[in-house]
Amino acid sequence: AQSVTQLGSHVSVSEGALVLLRCNYSSSVPPYLFWYVQYPNQGLQLLLKYTSAATLVKGINGFEAEFKKSETSFHLTKPSAHMSDAAEYFCAVAFRTGGFKTIFGAGTRLFVKA
Amino acid sequence: EPEVTQTPSHQVTQMGQEVILRCVPISNHLYFYWYRQILGQKVEFLVSFYNNEISEKSEIFDDQFSVERPDGSNFTLKIRSTKLEDSAMYFCASSERDRGDTQYFGPGTRLTVL
Repeated sequence: AQSVTQLGSHVSVSEGALVLLRCNYSSSVPPYLFWYVQYPNQGLQLLLKYTSAATLVKGINGFEAEFKKSETSFHLTKPSAHMSDAAEYFCAVAFRTGGFKTIFGAGTRLFVKA
Repeated sequence: EPEVTQTPSHQVTQMGQEVILRCVPISNHLYFYWYRQILGQKVEFLVSFYNNEISEKSEIFDDQFSVERPDGSNFTLKIRSTKLEDSAMYFCASSERDRGDTQYFGPGTRLTVL
């Protein structure tokens, strides 16, 4: 069965500090992996995705994620946090079982302190 | 840049009433999806739709729910007899292909069932 686990419902960092949001997945078929960001009262915006090409994926706003098959992880990082990064972040795994389905993690709310 | 639009942005209804949530996917996209997000919880997959039929649905998508593409542009989600627990944010998404293609999300419709 496919599943996504995000470690830490809340993460707080200082402005300029490293951002690390953790995501582990379980999938019986090769997964497609995504990170989405959701700002208050808005929809979901794609940050980056892994679709079996390069394992280190660069996204928008300076974010990147590395697919590690041996660890079944797809952690999101950013070298230096900015106040505007404060939002909810969702890791998602997509797979095909007949149709195409995406499962989201529970989300991690990122707080950035001045 | 093309975007997915949803109407209305907020719908208030009485329990037992029917509601129709409307979405206009990106024009050249072929795959369409509905998700919901109960306040404070994670995004949940409801249904995927391709070639005028449902290709995948979750256990949430019971007989009270239906989807339709009534014309070449709209994609609708109907809830026949709303329950209090249907109160949530409903997101429409579309993608050009499946197989890990990027899903573009609309801004959502907040449904409040009284």
